[in-house]
This record gives sequence, C-alpha cells and structure tokens, in this order.
Amino acid sequence: QVQLVQSGAEVKKPGASVKVSCKASGYSFMNYYIHWVRQAPGQRVEWLGVFNPVGDTIYTQNVQGRVTMTSDTSTRTVYLELSSLTFEDTAVYFCARGPPGDLYYFDSWGQGTLVTVSS
Amino acid sequence: SYILTQAPSVSVAPGETATITCGGDKIGTKAVNWYQQEPGQAPLLVMYYDDRRPSGIPERFSGSNSGRTATLTISRVELGDEADYYCQVCNSISDVVFGGGTKLTVL
Repeated sequence: QVQLVQSGAEVKKPGASVKVSCKASGYSFMNYYIHWVRQAPGQRVEWLGVFNPVGDTIYTQNVQGRVTMTSDTSTRTVYLELSSLTFEDTAVYFCARGPPGDLYYFDSWGQGTLVTVSS
Repeated sequence: SYILTQAPSVSVAPGETATITCGGDKIGTKAVNWYQQEPGQAPLLVMYYDDRRPSGIPERFSGSNSGRTATLTISRVELGDEADYYCQVCNSISDVVFGGGTKLTVL
C-alpha cells in the first residue's frame, strides 16, 4: 500500500533553517508528484509547492526564495527545506502524493511533521 | 488571490444528510477536491474532480459543482463522519487554494 513517512518534530530558532523528509513506498516513485502543504493553528491550509520527479519543481509565491524541494531517488525520499524561519512558519508540515497533471489533488498523505519556531 | 468560502460548522443527526458547501467565483469552471480531517490526523481525500470518489470512500459521499458553489453531500451520516472537511482547487499550476474548513458535528 502507498505510504509516506515523514521525519520527526523539529524546534528551531528564528532565522534558522529546517529540513523535513518524506519517504515514499508502495508505488512507482517516478510516476507521481509529491506536494508539500502546511497547517498552522487558526490558519488556512497552505500549499507550499510540488516536486516533480521527472520535471520542474514549482513553489508558491508566498515562500519562494525560502523554500527548496529536493529528492534522493535511490531512497525514494523527498525533502523540504525552509530557510529564514519566522514564528509564522510554526505549523504541521505534510507531504502528499498527487497524480501528474495540472489539476492537483492529493490522494495519500504523510503523517505530518510539527515544526515549531521558538526563541 | 482566489478565495474559497466554507461555513465554519454544520450539525446533523445520525442518519440524516449533511450538505457542506464551498463558494468561489466561477467555481463551477474549476475542479474541486474535498478532504476529511479528524483531529490530529492527516487529511483524507474523499472526493476529487467534483464528483469522483476515491477507492474505499463510501457511496454515501457524493459531490457536485456548478456556478458559484461546490457541494459535498454525505447521506445517512454516521458518528464516524464527524470531522473537518476542506475543499481545494487549483487556481493555476503555482497556486493551490484551500477553503477555511467546515466542522461537521454529528449530534
């Protein structure tokens, strides 16, 4: 079965960077996108971008310049790195799988990684 | 930026029908997806491309989309359906929007 397993919770200071991993299994890794979404308390769910294993990676304008999505295909792992963290980056970060194409939807999700930015 | 509007809460008795709406400008021209999220859990896809049910989602869940409103309908509501429900659309390949979520309470 499809599984996305994320790395554990992180606590970071303002201005630092965080790197979250998402290990995929149970499907053909190269045939699906991996999206990153975050959910902060009291805020709307926010899409951060999409990693395409065979094409371009696209980031939302809100975090462009601070976000990088990469992968290690040998381990079927996708990484989200977010730099210059502020308190507003405190959220649960999810990776989610989606089929290729322009009309994104997310059919399997990781368990979520809590990132806390605190001084 | 494109905005999706959902009612904060909907309450329904077991066995009744729950109607959860998602409003947006010309949303009928977009593909709407719906997610169910229980507290402390990851979201679960319950409807995609307006009215397509993923494998494993009961037939009690149905979707529609027209004009300014997309609708997720849950028939014969069960206690286990109690959760937050979010709608989502792609405004462009670099702009994905979620609604604010609707908390479904089963009385």
